[in-house]
Amino acid sequence: SAVISQKPSRDICQRGTSLTIQCQVDSQVTMMFWYRQQPGQSLTLIATANQGSEATYESGFVIDKFPISRPNLTFSTLTVSNMSPEDSSIYLCSVGGTAGVGETQYFGPGTRLLVL
Amino acid sequence: GNSVTQMEGPVTLSEEAFLTINCTYTATGYPSLFWYVQYPGEGLQLLLKATKADDKGSNKGFEATYRKETTSFHLEKGSVQVSDSAVYFCALSAGGGSYIPTFGRGTSLIVHP
Repeated sequence: SAVISQKPSRDICQRGTSLTIQCQVDSQVTMMFWYRQQPGQSLTLIATANQGSEATYESGFVIDKFPISRPNLTFSTLTVSNMSPEDSSIYLCSVGGTAGVGETQYFGPGTRLLVL
Repeated sequence: GNSVTQMEGPVTLSEEAFLTINCTYTATGYPSLFWYVQYPGEGLQLLLKATKADDKGSNKGFEATYRKETTSFHLEKGSVQVSDSAVYFCALSAGGGSYIPTFGRGTSLIVHP
């Protein structure tokens, strides 16, 4: 299992600003994932963050808007840049699920972002 | 591609009522199936899983059986409690080079005393 913490837990931001979300895991992991959960919607994978290499972004998400850092095997950050109200969502960090089809994913508590 | 379809919510029940949340899937190969639960203000956590056909996952009184013939993984509980109020996500993980799960839209459950 893995214990994941995220900072901040919630924030209210102004349009046009940027917010960096931190994710800390209690064990070393190769891959970390960032998801977006919009109100009433399912989870949408933003990107996969590998230590020592560029993040891999899913269709519809770009590095300029969601830059990701992965400086070591227990930590990652996601920045939401030049925010608009459409970026209001819960952002979730997760690990696991990569060793095989039966493996569980573990999630952080999420960062609840409201953009005014 | 892979997909998961869940019944629309919210599902509203009285305490001690029987719960069913339907989940069907489309996948190539032999996926593993999961139910995750998200309590208010928290992230997702695994509730139960099944990794092959006819397996039954169970936890905290919840059960789901992997039915390959109907491509379903319905979640059931015989007697719900107020503390079960949460959003429930059905998910699958298939092979083919990526084990990243595919999630359903989530079903909100509200249990009244």
